[in-house]
Amino acid sequence: ELKVEQNPLFLSMQEGKNYTIYCNYSTTSDRLYWYRQDPGKSLESLFVLLSNGAVKQEGRLMASLDTKARLSTLHITAAVHDLSATYFCAGGGSQGNLIFGKGTKLSVKP
Amino acid sequence: GAGVSQSPSNKVTEKGKDVELRCDPISGHTALYWYRQSLGQGLEFLIYFQGNSAPDKSGLPSDRFSAERTGGSVSTLTIQRTQQEDSAVYLCASSSRTAPYEQYFGPGTRLTVT
Repeated sequence: ELKVEQNPLFLSMQEGKNYTIYCNYSTTSDRLYWYRQDPGKSLESLFVLLSNGAVKQEGRLMASLDTKARLSTLHITAAVHDLSATYFCAGGGSQGNLIFGKGTKLSVKP
Repeated sequence: GAGVSQSPSNKVTEKGKDVELRCDPISGHTALYWYRQSLGQGLEFLIYFQGNSAPDKSGLPSDRFSAERTGGSVSTLTIQRTQQEDSAVYLCASSSRTAPYEQYFGPGTRLTVT
């Protein structure tokens, strides 16, 4: 069964700095997702990565996928306070369901 | 168009009571998923419907949990004889045949069992 591990689980950043969240998964997954969750809110889809070498960018966030290394990264460029949230990566399960990592709680401080 | 909706948004119930949680997927979405989010277990997959059929119910945590979907649309998740460990946020998601990899989540139902 697919297992997904994220690190770090907690990340405190200063505004303007760059950082990367890592997502490792245990077995082959044909897709990798990144979601954002604000406190008390539901999950918002950020990226869906479908192939090796896929790179997607939206604003200050860039996600990439290396299927050979079973690794996805979410890179944050020049962080701003509005990016404070919990970020989840997820792989694809056998029923089309998502299998989530534990999440990375990001706090961006001025 | 309208997103995934869930009701109620909050439910407080006494231990031992039955509860029903409702999910209304995006119109035309054929696939529907239930997940549970709790502090201890993180985000767990519970059950998947394609149309009205749930091919695999093994993700449901116990036989107190059941789910159905009618008319290829609304789904209900029923928890019988609730226990305190059932307290969690229950999330529903749906996806379409044309974009099966895109799952859209509802706002969730926060269940508290006292």
